[in-house]
Amino acid sequence: KNQVEQSPQSLIILEGKNCTLQCNYTVSPFSNLRWYKQDTGRGPVSLTIMTFSENTKSNGRYTATLDADTKQSSLHITASQLSDSASYICVVPPRGSGGYQKVTFGTGTKLQVIP
Amino acid sequence: NAGVTQTPKFRVLKTGQSMTLLCAQDMNHEYMYWYRQDPGMGLRLIHYSVGEGTTAKGEVPDGYNVSRLKKQNFLLGLESAAPSQTSVYFCASTSGRDEQFFGPGTRLTVL
Repeated sequence: KNQVEQSPQSLIILEGKNCTLQCNYTVSPFSNLRWYKQDTGRGPVSLTIMTFSENTKSNGRYTATLDADTKQSSLHITASQLSDSASYICVVPPRGSGGYQKVTFGTGTKLQVIP
Repeated sequence: NAGVTQTPKFRVLKTGQSMTLLCAQDMNHEYMYWYRQDPGMGLRLIHYSVGEGTTAKGEVPDGYNVSRLKKQNFLLGLESAAPSQTSVYFCASTSGRDEQFFGPGTRLTVL
């Protein structure tokens, strides 16, 4: 069964500090991996997408890495801000049919940035 | 361009009551989805649609029905609500394997 596991479940950091969130997956065959940010009371919003051939991709202070061999991805947040407080969800669609009907969502990491 | 909208935002039902959640998108997307999100669990797919007039079951379809009479709208119905259906419901749309766009969610409580 395709699984996506994220760690830690929750994290509290001081404003200005860096942090790294982890995503391990068993989805096969692999197509791509997305990181979503979900603010409290809002729907998820895509941060970045990683394809099989990409090792690193940045989006402002967010940097995602992918190791397709070990089936691991990480999301690194640099110089955290209070607005980074949110849940971060890893999504891994299997290669194949169109659409997201067979997509596995991770349970998310809840990040709280405190002043 | 409003993206994906959902109504209502909040609702409280008594066990056995019925209701319909409305999702609308203005991006001309073919695919639309209904998810539920519960504490400690990832988003779980209830039903989805790959085009106007089509619907299909997802991972947790029991107790829900859907309709897609117009391309831009996707309705989720609860015929006889149960406390186990207390959850936050999200609608999403996409043009295929591109980015999914999510609505703001509907928080439903069934007493």
